[in-house]
Amino acid sequence: AQTVTQSQPEMSVQEAETVTLSCTYDTSESDYYLFWYKQPPSRQMILVIRQEAYKQQNATENRFSVNFQKAAKSFSLKISDSQLGDAAMYFCAYTGGPNTGTASKLTFGTGTRLQVTL
Amino acid sequence: EAGVTQSPTHLIKTRGQQATLRCSPISGHTSVYWYQQALGLGLQFLLWYDEGEERNRGNFPPRFSGRQFPNYSSELNVNALELEDSALYLCASSLFRSSYNEQFFGPGTRLTVL
Repeated sequence: AQTVTQSQPEMSVQEAETVTLSCTYDTSESDYYLFWYKQPPSRQMILVIRQEAYKQQNATENRFSVNFQKAAKSFSLKISDSQLGDAAMYFCAYTGGPNTGTASKLTFGTGTRLQVTL
Repeated sequence: EAGVTQSPTHLIKTRGQQATLRCSPISGHTSVYWYQQALGLGLQFLLWYDEGEERNRGNFPPRFSGRQFPNYSSELNVNALELEDSALYLCASSLFRSSYNEQFFGPGTRLTVL
């Protein structure tokens, strides 16, 4: 079974600074996708960034980037120039590729609550 | 473009009752997913519907069921409610045939069982 582990229940960062959220996963599948979702207090889950396992290049979306270490099964999220609006719960998630048995569902980590301070 | 919508926003029931939660996917999306976000348990996959059929379900008892209508909207039914069913229920939709199965989430329904 696939598992996703987020070992940091809470993190804090000062505005304009950089923070890295950790995520590790376990799978025997070779085709999969990894995601970071953000859930603000308003609770609507928003996709932040995704990474295809077959791509060696780390994904980047504006201030958000990932460090994807496939051999180590690590998928961390880096937020640069943190803003007050980044405060939220961040979930790391896994899904198998289209031809795998896990393609139909996301497996989530337990989340990291990020606080942004002035 | 309208996102995934869910109703009601909040639902209060008592033990033993039945709850019905509704979800409308993004226009053009044929797959609907249900997740339970219970305090202390994180997000857990409940059900997946595609083209009107139940395609997969998570590790939940049979009293959790649902259906998908011809317009791709979906209902989640929870029978014989128990206190531990209190949670935020999130619905998501996607184009299943897409290469990476990106799921878009609704705002959720908060179910409280008294």
